[in-house]
Amino acid sequence: EVQLVESGGGLVKPGGTLSLSCAASGFTFSAFTMTWVRQAPGKGLEWVASITYSSNYMYYADSVKGRCTISRDNAKNSLFLQMDSLRAEDTAMYFCARVLTYNTDSEGWFVPWGQGTLVTVSS
Amino acid sequence: SYMLTQPPSVSVAPGETATITCGGKNIGSKSVNWYQQRPGQAPVVVIYINNDRPSGIPERFSGSNSGSTATLTISRVEAGDEADYYCQVWDSGTDHFIFGGGTKLTVL
Repeated sequence: EVQLVESGGGLVKPGGTLSLSCAASGFTFSAFTMTWVRQAPGKGLEWVASITYSSNYMYYADSVKGRCTISRDNAKNSLFLQMDSLRAEDTAMYFCARVLTYNTDSEGWFVPWGQGTLVTVSS
Repeated sequence: SYMLTQPPSVSVAPGETATITCGGKNIGSKSVNWYQQRPGQAPVVVIYINNDRPSGIPERFSGSNSGSTATLTISRVEAGDEADYYCQVWDSGTDHFIFGGGTKLTVL
């Protein structure tokens, strides 16, 4: 069974740092582009960042560019999101997802999703 | 930047057909994916590349995409279809994934 399990969320003060992890199982992790998507409480989905299978390309939403770093360890079947200079508006459930791609290594759809890890930025 | 526009809400009686639209500039030239998110759960893809259905998704779910509007159609709506639905595309101009704002489907 393909499974993604996020961890690392929690309460952090504005300006602080947090590192999220996503453990993958049930598929060949090193063959897939991966992504992070977040959802603020009561709000819609917002794409955060993606990384191609070989880490050749990383893409970031404008809202997090320069403050977040996406990375992966294919040997450990793990995806990461380092978040710096956190703001109140970063408060959200953070989901990781596998990207099934077509045409390029980037364009695609997200399946499956993990259950998410909650990040709360508050003083 | 590229934007996708969805109606905030759609209401339909059981057994009827629900139509959820996703508007975007020349969206017909892009491949659109649709997700269902029930309360407290992670999203699940119900349509990918405009009109393909993943295994396990009922045939009642279908999609279309042309011009400036993509559409998710749910036929013979059931109470269990009540959820939020999001459209999503890849914008090659910015190398960004884009989500629509989401549509809350209410089954009356």
